[in-house]
Amino acid sequence: AQTVTQSQPEMSVQEAETVTLSCTYDTSESDYYLFWYKQPPSRQMILVIRQEAYKQQNATENRFSVNFQKAAKSFSLKISDSQLGDAAMYFCAYRSTSGTYKYIFGTGTRLKVLA
Amino acid sequence: DTAVSQTPKYLVTQMGNDKSIKCEQNLGHDTMYWYKQDSKKFLKIMFSYNNKELIINETVPNRFSPKSPDKAHLNLHINSLELGDSAVYFCASSLSRLSYEQYFGPGTRLTVT
Repeated sequence: AQTVTQSQPEMSVQEAETVTLSCTYDTSESDYYLFWYKQPPSRQMILVIRQEAYKQQNATENRFSVNFQKAAKSFSLKISDSQLGDAAMYFCAYRSTSGTYKYIFGTGTRLKVLA
Repeated sequence: DTAVSQTPKYLVTQMGNDKSIKCEQNLGHDTMYWYKQDSKKFLKIMFSYNNKELIINETVPNRFSPKSPDKAHLNLHINSLELGDSAVYFCASSLSRLSYEQYFGPGTRLTVT
């Protein structure tokens, strides 16, 4: 069975600085999707970025980028020029491309942004 | 226009009661989901329906019963509520069961006293 691990329960970053959130996963599959979701205090789950496992190029979305290391089963999220609005819970998620296609979420990392 | 809506947003009830949470999506999606987020923020799938057909049924107590009257609606009914059922319940939808992107509702915070 697939698992997703986020080893950092909480991280802090100074406004305008860069922070990296870690995620590792375990799977025997070769094709899958990986995601980072943001959950601000409003509780709304917001998709930040996704990565297809078959793509070697790391995904980027404005200030958000990932470092996808398929062999190491690592999928970290880098937030550049951190803003106060980035403060939230961040969840790493895995989705298979076969079977039930269900999402498996990590336990989350709470990001605090310091003014 | 709210894409995925849930009612109610907050629900406080006593142990032993029966309650329902409703979910509606206006995106024309075929697939809908129920997730539970516990007090430690762990988010886990409970059920998934595709065109009114149950396709994912995780190991949840049979006190939880999903119902999909049509593909735009997926309701969650909970019988004999227990303290451990207190959580935030999220509804989500995707274009199809193959689609990787899910759209989440705002969540329903259920508190059982």
